[in-house]
Amino acid sequence: NAGVTQTPKFQVLKTGQSMTLQCAQDMNHEYMSWYRQDPGMGLRLIHYSVGAGITDQGEVPNGYNVSRSTTEDFPLRLLSAAPSQTSVYFCASRGYRGTQYFGPGTRLLVL
Amino acid sequence: GNSVTQMEGPVTLSEEAFLTINCTYTATGYPSLFWYVQYPGEGLQLLLKATKADDKGSNKGFEATYRKETTSFHLEKGSVQVSDSAVYFCALRRDNNDMRFGAGTRLTVKP
Repeated sequence: NAGVTQTPKFQVLKTGQSMTLQCAQDMNHEYMSWYRQDPGMGLRLIHYSVGAGITDQGEVPNGYNVSRSTTEDFPLRLLSAAPSQTSVYFCASRGYRGTQYFGPGTRLLVL
Repeated sequence: GNSVTQMEGPVTLSEEAFLTINCTYTATGYPSLFWYVQYPGEGLQLLLKATKADDKGSNKGFEATYRKETTSFHLEKGSVQVSDSAVYFCALRRDNNDMRFGAGTRLTVKP
């Protein structure tokens, strides 16, 4: 098992550019989520999904879109990047009521 | 709403010292409680968890007890090592799958 994988590891964007952060898991987990990690604020939930075709908003969803067409993949889209979206992004997955597994993170810098 | 408050860092200790990182929570009902650890450049890893009052989670010499009367889940270790240097996150999860994290506490252990 590769667990939870994320690409890219690091990305620099200019304000207004768009990009997609990829996340995949091979554990057949129904629940997947995206967090952002900022200094002094811990992890904040952006969006989550309880299964293919079902997504919902977390604490800080503005500026981000998600979709879940398969159980394995849960991409996060930034439609028009802003400097406030400079952060480290973590994808996570888990089975029902199980342990949450995190990916290695994507460090994003928006200039 | 549900939230977690943990002691601010950074915490610096000498090897073999006793560690306590305080964590208190606010939640309706009966959440599950977690401690995650993040080593430099990596994602979060589950350290230990407790799912009901008076449960004690333990792993790698760390332990924490779910105290409902004080709404706390303090992390302790009797003798820290240099390899324990990391950022520690307290978290809770309610039945609706939503996890809430504390801000994180950075621990540095010096030889």
